Amino acid sequence: SQQGEEDPQALSIQEGENATMNCSYKTSINNLQWYRQNSGRGLVHLILIRSNEREKHSGRLRVTLDTSKKSSSLLITASRAADTASYFCATGGSHQFYFGTGTSLTVIP
Amino acid sequence: GAGVSQSPRYKVAKRGQDVALRCDPISGHVSLFWYQQALGQGPEFLTYFQNEAQLDKSGLPSDRFFAERPEGSVSTLKIQRTQQEDSAVYLCASSNGGGLTNTEAFFGQGTRLTVV
Repeated sequence: SQQGEEDPQALSIQEGENATMNCSYKTSINNLQWYRQNSGRGLVHLILIRSNEREKHSGRLRVTLDTSKKSSSLLITASRAADTASYFCATGGSHQFYFGTGTSLTVIP
Repeated sequence: GAGVSQSPRYKVAKRGQDVALRCDPISGHVSLFWYQQALGQGPEFLTYFQNEAQLDKSGLPSDRFFAERPEGSVSTLKIQRTQQEDSAVYLCASSNGGGLTNTEAFFGQGTRLTVV
């Protein structure tokens, strides 16, 4: 069973716009990570945020974490067509990830 | 190679056939994970190795699934008497740390298994 849930399930935006996707989870965590998956390929790690952090940046990515609400958000600024992919949040236990069902992002050129 | 390598990339098996899926993790990575990803779903945990020790196999769906990592590097996931519900992408990941606390995992491209 999957612990995380991403919202929305699908998102379609124009190139240059910002994309925001959210993740909610159920139990306490050590960290939360975001991954990207292009169609038919493996997952690529984007960013890790620890449970004692509230916000983290990496290039065009901004991740927030609210442990009181058990939620996280991923913001992609100035989106590009190459950002088209599925995005998953994963909550880290001691030795396994619990992935959500993912947000499918389409960036229209 | 520099990344996690999985083979074969695609496998078609007749129902009842046994299959073996291979994972070559990043050299030196202690931890190795197997995940199963059904179409349109997120990956679901199957099993975890720390070196050659299988520390958690709680995610294996049945006793038809078996994984090994005898020398602490290459791992094989074996599925016996495949059934249609086994059709999925099987992902392997490795990480440098012992476990996943505050460390990232590197995923292979997966093996897409189709049982007909």
